Amino acid sequence: DAKTTQPNSMESNEEEPVHLPCNHSTISGTDYIHWYRQLPSQGPEYVIHGLTSNVNNRMASLAIAEDRKSSTLILHRATLRDAAVYYCILRGLSAGGTSYGKLTFGQGTILTVHP
Amino acid sequence: NAGVTQTPKFQVLKTGQSMTLQCAQDMNHEYMSWYRQDPGMGLRLIHYSVGAGITDQGEVPNGYNVSRSTTEDFPLRLLSAAPSQTSVYFCASRKPQGGADTQYFGPGTRLTVL
Repeated sequence: DAKTTQPNSMESNEEEPVHLPCNHSTISGTDYIHWYRQLPSQGPEYVIHGLTSNVNNRMASLAIAEDRKSSTLILHRATLRDAAVYYCILRGLSAGGTSYGKLTFGQGTILTVHP
Repeated sequence: NAGVTQTPKFQVLKTGQSMTLQCAQDMNHEYMSWYRQDPGMGLRLIHYSVGAGITDQGEVPNGYNVSRSTTEDFPLRLLSAAPSQTSVYFCASRKPQGGADTQYFGPGTRLTVL
């Protein structure tokens, strides 16, 4: 699986935008970029995903670099509830073997939101 | 929809005991997985299933068994619990859509083995 690199931690103030970066220089042409987050004492939850174009949903926006070697998750107005570990994950099309669809979770970025 | 449910939420076992962690989903997802998460670490895949009657090993399968008799249920069995199996266990399900699919996770089972 192609690897991703994220900062260990980031901090933000409430109601300010947050830009969470992710580097994935070995991404293949068919890899989707997924973001999940894990709130304290909860299971991971899906945030957003994209392939080539920028994506928006009710939770966040995903900005993908033109060469696809990096991406940025954007939380437009951070709230205290957004404090979590954010994981950037690459998902390929392979459906067999160990890459069947498992999500390879790295360390992620711990986001702290200050009131 | 209840999504992915897991029982129990907490469990304490003694070394050598066996138990089954239950997982169910009501979204008719073909794929289901079990992960474990140790403190300060990411999730590691234990076992997975791509459909009823089909299971396979993930990264850390030793000490665990699974079966998939129905689409909805995917229980994880600890054969003889060891302290190294103290962890939080997450079950997940998804509908295969190539690389664009979304995994749904349960709330987790916190297991302590003494």
